[in-house]
Formats: sequence, C-alpha cells, structure tokens
Amino acid sequence: GDSVTQMEGPVTLSEEAFLTINCTYTATGYPSLFWYVQYPGEGLQLLLKATKADDKGSNKGFEATYRKETTSFHLEKGSVQVSDSAVYFCALEDYGGSQGNLIFGKGTKLSVKP
Amino acid sequence: DGGITQSPKYLFRKEGQNVTLSCEQNLNHDAMYWYRQDPGQGLRLIYYSQIVNDFQKGDIAEGYSVSREKKESFPLTVTSAQKNPTAFYLCASRQRTGINYGYTFGSGTRLTVV
Repeated sequence: GDSVTQMEGPVTLSEEAFLTINCTYTATGYPSLFWYVQYPGEGLQLLLKATKADDKGSNKGFEATYRKETTSFHLEKGSVQVSDSAVYFCALEDYGGSQGNLIFGKGTKLSVKP
Repeated sequence: DGGITQSPKYLFRKEGQNVTLSCEQNLNHDAMYWYRQDPGQGLRLIYYSQIVNDFQKGDIAEGYSVSREKKESFPLTVTSAQKNPTAFYLCASRQRTGINYGYTFGSGTRLTVV
C-alpha cells in the first residue's frame, strides 16, 4: 500500500541555519504531496503542496519539489527562525491507492535555538 | 470565519467508560475524518465519512464508533473496547473539488485514561 517515510528527529538547529527534512513515498497512483506543520498543542496546518511531478510548493520561506524519479518531496528552508520550531509531517493523497485519504509520515520534530 | 471546532480540548476518562469527542465544521465540506496521534507514530486514520449517513473504517477503527447524521457534525465515541485510548485525536474535513481543495484540521482533543 501507499506509504510515506520521513527522516527521524528530533532535529536541532541554530537560528539562521539551513534546514532539510527528507521525505520519500511509495504510491500506486499519481499522488499529490503535502507538508503539514504542527505547533505545540495544536492541530495541523497546511504548509505547502504539490500536485504533479516537478511542481515546487512554497510558503513562508519553505520549499519542496515533487521528484517523481526519486519519489521524494524534501522540505527545505534557507534560514530557520526560532518560530519555526514545530513538528513537520509529510503526507500524500492518492486516489489510485488510498481512496484519496491522506497518508502521513511519522513526523519530524524541529527545534531551533537562538 | 469558517473552521473546525473540536471539543473538549482535554478529556479524562475512567477505565471502562465510553466517551464522545465532538467535531463540528461550518466549511460546508462533504468529507470528514478522525485521526489518532501518538508520539513517534504520526497520524493514523480511525474513521472517515464522505457524505451524510455514510462512513467507512480507517486503519485503526477497532474500539471506536462514529455517526454522521448532519453534514456539519462527525462525533467520535471511544468505547471501553479500545484498550489504549490515551492519545491526541484530530478531526479534519475536506473540500473534494475546486481550486481550493484540501484538508482543514481542528485543534485536537487530548484524551487521558485515569
């Protein structure tokens, strides 16, 4: 079945450091890919998405490119801030394999130190 | 503003009791979902409903029940058959079509068995 694998955390960075959180997926169809962010004690917020190969999603300085050849959707940010501290989830939506339901990775906790 | 409201934010249950978590949305979304979140496990799908008066089991439905009598409401009952109910529960809804399709999440209910 469909699945998402993302790098295990926690990830601890200093402010202004470069961030990469790896995400790879397996899917039977042509999925849409998402990154969600969860701040402490809250629900999930959509950070960015890409619906087809080679699309780049971007928001708040974060970017991710849908790479079909490597089945990847890595999240990057050039300069992180303390306020970026949160848990980040990679997810896919695949009408071919999972009836359009979201399949999540296990999440990566990011801590940014001043 | 439109959104999803989950209540209560914190819930304590004695062993052997059933409890019901509320989820209400005023986004006019057809589909609604319940996820369970455990540390290091990501989000796992409990139940989902794509239209009123219809719902399907997700990956971990055992020990849970739902109803969907109104489009706006999708309550989740955690029954005494659920052996390890302590977790963070997230409700979501989805607009299935149009350029703004995507999931919206509530802020969650933290259930603790005492």
